[in-house]
Amino acid sequence: EDQVTQSPEALRLQEGESSSLNCSYTVSGLRGLFWYRQDPGKGPEFLFTLYSAGEEKEKERLKATLTKKESFLHITAPKPEDSATYLCAVRFSGGYQKVTFGTGTKLQVIP
Amino acid sequence: DADVTQTPRNRITKTGKRIMLECSQTKGHDRMYWYRQDPGLGLRLIYYSFDVKDINKGEISDGYSVSRQAQAKFSLSLESAIPNQTALYFCATSLGSNEKLFFGSGTQLSVL
Repeated sequence: EDQVTQSPEALRLQEGESSSLNCSYTVSGLRGLFWYRQDPGKGPEFLFTLYSAGEEKEKERLKATLTKKESFLHITAPKPEDSATYLCAVRFSGGYQKVTFGTGTKLQVIP
Repeated sequence: DADVTQTPRNRITKTGKRIMLECSQTKGHDRMYWYRQDPGLGLRLIYYSFDVKDINKGEISDGYSVSRQAQAKFSLSLESAIPNQTALYFCATSLGSNEKLFFGSGTQLSVL
C-alpha cells in the first residue's frame, strides 16, 4: 500500500535555529513529491515539486531535497513568519489522478 | 488576483439534512478537486473533475456527490449529512497536467 509519513508531528524552534522536516514514502512508482505550507484558517499553498532522486529546490529559507525513499524540507535560520503546518504529498503511478497527503508537521518558530 | 473561492466558510447542520458546498475559480484552470481534511488523517480526495463532462470518484466518495456546472464552478453535496462528515473541506484547482494544486480557504462543516 502506498503511504506517506511525515515527522515530527510538531517542531518548536528558536528563531535562527535551523532544522529539517521529513517525509518518507513507500511507493509502487513515484510520479512526483510536493511540499505545501498551510497557515491556520487557510488552504495549503504550494511550495515545491520534486520528481527524481537527487533533485533539490530552494525558496528563501526553505530547501527541499529528494531521495528514493524520503524527502527533507530544510529550514535555514527560520523566522517567526515561517510558523505553519508543512504538508508533504506524493503522486503515485496508478490508474487515476491521485495525490496522497501526509498528515503534516506543525512548525512553531519562537522569537 | 485570480482565486479559488469557497462558500460558505462555516456551516452547522443537523444529521439527515442535505447540504451543498460551492466552489468557484477565476484562474481559468480546467481541473477541479474536492478534499476533506481531518485531524491526524491528512487531506483525502473525495471527487475530481478534469473538465465539465468528466467527473471521477476519489478515495472517499461514499455519501457525497458533485456537480460541475461550468468550467469555473464545482459543487459538493452531502445528500443526507451524518456526524462523521464533520470536517474541513477544501476545493482545489490545477491546470492541465501540471500537478500543482491551488486551494480555496476551506469550509468548516459541523454535522450535529
